[in-house]
Amino acid sequence: GAVVSQHPSWVICKSGTSVKIECRSLDFQATTMFWYRQFPKQSLMLMATSNEGSKATYEQGVEKDKFLINHASLTLSTLTVTSAHPEDSSFYICSATISWGSNQPQHFGDGTRLSIL
Amino acid sequence: DAKTTQPNSMESNEEEPVHLPCNHSTISGTDYIHWYRQLPSQGPEYVIHGLTSNVNNRMASLAIAEDRKSSTLILHRATLRDAAVYYCILRFGGSGGGADGLTFGKGTHLIIQP
Repeated sequence: GAVVSQHPSWVICKSGTSVKIECRSLDFQATTMFWYRQFPKQSLMLMATSNEGSKATYEQGVEKDKFLINHASLTLSTLTVTSAHPEDSSFYICSATISWGSNQPQHFGDGTRLSIL
Repeated sequence: DAKTTQPNSMESNEEEPVHLPCNHSTISGTDYIHWYRQLPSQGPEYVIHGLTSNVNNRMASLAIAEDRKSSTLILHRATLRDAAVYYCILRFGGSGGGADGLTFGKGTHLIIQP
């Protein structure tokens, strides 16, 4: 149980285009989903917290107009990288929790590798 | 979340037990200790968590020091598939805790030799 699916697994696109990444909780409802970014040889960095039906909360230094997050249902959150540039190339990972609480694990998707040419 | 300290890397042989240490000397009384691991080119995977008592599950065991300032993740019989980066993360257990994302450190890169 507690499966999180991410799509696509990888994407290559030209500079200036927008890319949408989907994160779905397959067998549970997730009030809150999280988006992380990981550059090569580095650890995961939290980008934003996505709450169903409300605006996302972005971490300091993350441009909310560039990384658009939509959490329209309890099983789907999307991250859109707008006008992507080579420096946005990274491994994007989402996670979700079944319920709140610091004793609850987060369940992660397999990530999306984004390469901007 | 309070800070944790882990060795950069560890090496072990296949089919032997592995003990991965984590120091968290500034842990508060309500912080939970979580462990995740990340296999190459994959998202992190939850391993185990605990508060005060030792915990066991099908993946691993978590031994927590009596003063809670350190903990050890135990893989009882390592396989090549256990080669990953292991992250020890504290989660605030007070009011509002758990509503935020995880703060990942550098973790321990576990190498398993056949």
